[in-house]
Order: sequence, then C-alpha cells, then structure tokens
Amino acid sequence: SQQGEEDPQALSIQEGENATMNCSYKTSINNLQWYRQNSGRGLVHLILIRSNEREKHSGRLRVTLDTSKKSSSLLITASRAADTASYFCATDGGFKTIFGAGTRLFVKA
Amino acid sequence: DSGVTQTPKHLITATGQRVTLRCSPRSGDLSVYWYQQSLDQGLQFLIQYYNGEERAKGNILERFSAQQFPDLHSELNLSSLELGDSALYFCASSVGNSGGAYGYTFGSGTRLTVV
Repeated sequence: SQQGEEDPQALSIQEGENATMNCSYKTSINNLQWYRQNSGRGLVHLILIRSNEREKHSGRLRVTLDTSKKSSSLLITASRAADTASYFCATDGGFKTIFGAGTRLFVKA
Repeated sequence: DSGVTQTPKHLITATGQRVTLRCSPRSGDLSVYWYQQSLDQGLQFLIQYYNGEERAKGNILERFSAQQFPDLHSELNLSSLELGDSALYFCASSVGNSGGAYGYTFGSGTRLTVV
C-alpha cells in the first residue's frame, strides 16, 4: 500500500491565494520530502523535513510535520500561475522512499 | 537542467519489442534510481544502483533489467514489451546510497509508448 497519500487529489485556486496540500503516511519515517512536477516533466525536489523537525520554510513554501499524527502539510503562499503543477510527498523509512499519488494544483490567473 | 540526462525523450515501439533507456547521473552522484510513472500506478520504484552495484529492487518485472556502468551511466532494458508498459520512465540520482536521506535529482524522463 502507498506510504504517502496526498489530500486533496486536486485543488483549484485563484492567483494570490494560499494553497495547502496534506500528506499522510502509515509507518515511522526518517524524513519526508516534497516534490513538484510540471506536466510531463521530471520531479523537482522542493524541501526535505527530518523526523525531528516540526516546521521548515523555503521562500513561499512552508512545510510542517506531525509525527504523532503521521502527517505533513505543504503550504504555498501567494500562489502564482507558474505554481500550477502536481505536488508529491515522498517518505523515507530508511529502506526505501515511497512517493504518494500527488495533488494536482491549478492556479488561475 | 537538473544535471541528470535521459535519452531518448520519446520512444514509440511495437508490442514484443525490446528497448533501452539511458541515464547519466548528475556529476558527483553515485546512485541511480529508475522509476516508472503511469496514470493508474503513480510513481513506482523499479531499481537502484550504487557505484555499479545493484542496491535495491522494487516492483521491477522480470522482463526488465538494468545495469550501471563504470562511468556511472545506467541503462534500463525493457523486453517483450506490452501495451501496459507504456509510461514515463524516470531516472534519478543521489550523492550517497540513499536518496531518501538528502533528496533525489530527477531527469526529464523518457516517454515510452507501446503500440
């Protein structure tokens, strides 16, 4: 079964709004990563948060991790049309990394 | 440009055929990973090589094989192709033997269409 599962599956917002995507997982992890994929292109690494961290920022991105709830969220603030893409969480349990099915974000100009 | 180079970008072939996908990792990265992405299966890990040795195996079919050469480039061989093998095939690389520890650098993928 999938380790990381994103929610929602799809999200449509207006430019300038914030976008929040969630990821839930089942077993203990060493770290959790978020990736972006533009249509038909390769995945781009956005941010990695380790199991002993609770929050991390990178530009307009904010990631939180709650290991007690086995969940993470990715917040994109002041979204732009260029943020339109699929976003994946990936959980690393030490043995292998498992990618979720992704959230499709559409930002309307 | 991520630094990971995959060729070819597109491939169309018939059922039953064999194809080879090629990947050159980012400079300095020793690990190469192969992933298959299809609409109904998401991103599936196939296999990992680290410095020429097979390191981990995922959901790789027996019809598929891979290797990593001394110059660290890798090839994924797909044989007896079926319609269901149509997908995007990604190569990723990482510095150490665990991309999960620091993150992966992905190539732009090879889109395989089996007709």
